[in-house]
Amino acid sequence: AQKVTQAQTEISVVEKEDVTLDCVYETRDTTYYLFWYKQPPSGELVFLIRRNSFDEQNEISGRYSWNFQKSTSSFNFTITASQVVDSAVYFCALNRGGKLIFGQGTELSVKP
Amino acid sequence: NAGVTQTPKFQVLKTGQSMTLQCAQDMNHEYMSWYRQDPGMGLRLIHYSVGAGITDQGEVPNGYNVSRSTTEDFPLRLLSAAPSQTSVYFCASSYSKAAQGSYNEQFFGPGTRLTVL
Repeated sequence: AQKVTQAQTEISVVEKEDVTLDCVYETRDTTYYLFWYKQPPSGELVFLIRRNSFDEQNEISGRYSWNFQKSTSSFNFTITASQVVDSAVYFCALNRGGKLIFGQGTELSVKP
Repeated sequence: NAGVTQTPKFQVLKTGQSMTLQCAQDMNHEYMSWYRQDPGMGLRLIHYSVGAGITDQGEVPNGYNVSRSTTEDFPLRLLSAAPSQTSVYFCASSYSKAAQGSYNEQFFGPGTRLTVL
């Protein structure tokens, strides 16, 4: 079965705290792609990152970083020094044959 | 480029009514899809298309029809609306190199919020 689990439904932090959003996936495919999307309060979906199953290097983009571990089937997302503008729902997704399978989403609230 | 556009942004229907949600993209993407978003369930795939003239079902296709007569447009039809179809609908497109097994990110439209009374 193909499945993505984001066990954290809601997270609340104070500005400047670091926060990690967890994502665990299940797939029998040997080649697959993982994504993170951000959905701010305005409602649109914003692409953040794509990672294929052959590339286990961690990635850093400004305050954002991603930790991909095939051994634990996890693709976690860390925001360093969080800001109020990071408040949003974050979705992890698995691409199977062009179709995205989404996790339930984690709602992050960053308070000033 | 306008990207992915959706109309209308909001719609209220009565049970049993039909309507079409419009989706268009100007990026010459091969792949287009429709998702619905419900609280606590993330986004779920309704129908998708890998090119003009080709469509297939996703996870939750019942009650919806699609067609793809052009590369640019991918309308979603509700034949007889039901309260269970109250949701936010997103259209997405991507350039998919399916033959090489490489999948690019999907670009999403702004969404249509549908309420069925």
